[in-house]
Order: sequence, then structure tokens, then C-alpha cells
Amino acid sequence: QVQLVESGGGVVQPGKSLRLSCAASGFTFSSYGMHWVRQAPGKGLEWVAVVWYDRSREYYADSVRGRFTISRDNSKNTVYLEMNSLRPEDTALFYCARDICTGGCCYSFDYWGQGTLVTVS
Amino acid sequence: DIQITQSPSSLSASVGDRVTITCRASQSINRNLSWYQQKAGKAPNLLIFAATSLQSGVPSRFSGSGSGTDFTLTISSLQPEDFAAYYCQQSYSSPYTFGQGTSLEIK
Repeated sequence: QVQLVESGGGVVQPGKSLRLSCAASGFTFSSYGMHWVRQAPGKGLEWVAVVWYDRSREYYADSVRGRFTISRDNSKNTVYLEMNSLRPEDTALFYCARDICTGGCCYSFDYWGQGTLVTVS
Repeated sequence: DIQITQSPSSLSASVGDRVTITCRASQSINRNLSWYQQKAGKAPNLLIFAATSLQSGVPSRFSGSGSGTDFTLTISSLQPEDFAAYYCQQSYSSPYTFGQGTSLEIK
């Protein structure tokens, strides 16, 4: 079965960096685009970034562009989110999610991890 | 950026009721809209994609309609397990924005 397991969250001071990981299993990872979506405590969902299955394209939310970098290692079935210059408003539960389509992205999300909490304080 | 306005923000209903939630996009997004359900403390779950397509394993009491700028999620007969938060999300162009969410509560 499809599994996505995030790690790397924690408490970090403003201006510092953190790297999140999402380990995937149960599907052909190299065929799917992968996303990060976040949810601040008690708030709604915010899409953060996507990387295509072949790393050919990356897109970012305006709020993180220039500070966050999404990447993937298809040999390790893992997607990453490198977060720099962190701000208190980045405090959130960060989910990785699989794109619904193969061989390109449709930008809907059919499987989600359980999330990793990032607290900037 | 495309803005998504979701309404209502909260809704009280009873088991067996028919419920509708709407989303309006700030420009045409064709049929590029999805709906998600999120229960407390859990990750979201995809219900509907491409405006009207039911995700595998989702009960048929959930349905989606609309195109262009106006979209609707309908639950035909509420079940106890349906009380949760619901979000729409546009997949037309980056950034792939979500609506603000609807909290569906038991009356």
C-alpha cells in the first residue's frame, strides 16, 4: 500500500534552516510528482511546492519562493523540502502528498503523509 | 494568483440531510477543481477531482459539479462519519490554492 512518512520537523529559531524529508513506499515513486502542503495550527491548507517526477519542473507558493527548495532523490524514494530564513509564520504541520497523475502533474493530491510539525520560535 | 472563495465557513446539519458546499474561483479554471475531507487530527483525503470525478473508494453520496468559476460539493445523505472539514482546491495554475474550508458540524 502507498505510504508517505515525513520527518525532520522540530523547533527552530527565526532565520534558521531546516530540512524535511518524506520517504515513499508502495508505488513507483519515480513516476509521480510530489508536493508539500502545510497547515498552520487551527488554520486551513496551503500548498507549498511541487517537483515533477523527473525533476524537470518545480513550482512554489509566493510565500516561500526564494526561501524554500523542493528536491527529490528517485534512487531513495524520497522528496525533500529545504527551508531557509524561517519565519514565525512558517509554523505549521507540513504534509507531503502524491500527485494523482503519472508522467506529469495534475496538481491534485491522492495520498498524504501524516505530517511533520515545524515550529519557528 | 487565482483566489478561491469557499462558503459557508461552517455548517450545522443532521444525519440524513442533504448538504452543499460551494467554491468560486476568481477566474475560469475550467474543471480543474478538487475536494478534500479532513477529520480532526488526520491528513486530508481526496474526495473529488476534475470537478466531478469520484476518487476510488469514496462513497457515492459525495458528488461534485460545476465548471468555469462556480463549483459545488454535495453530500446527498449525511452520515455520522461525514462530520469533518472540507476544502476545495484549484489545480489550474500555480500557486495551487485551497479554499478557506468548511467545518461541517452536527446539529
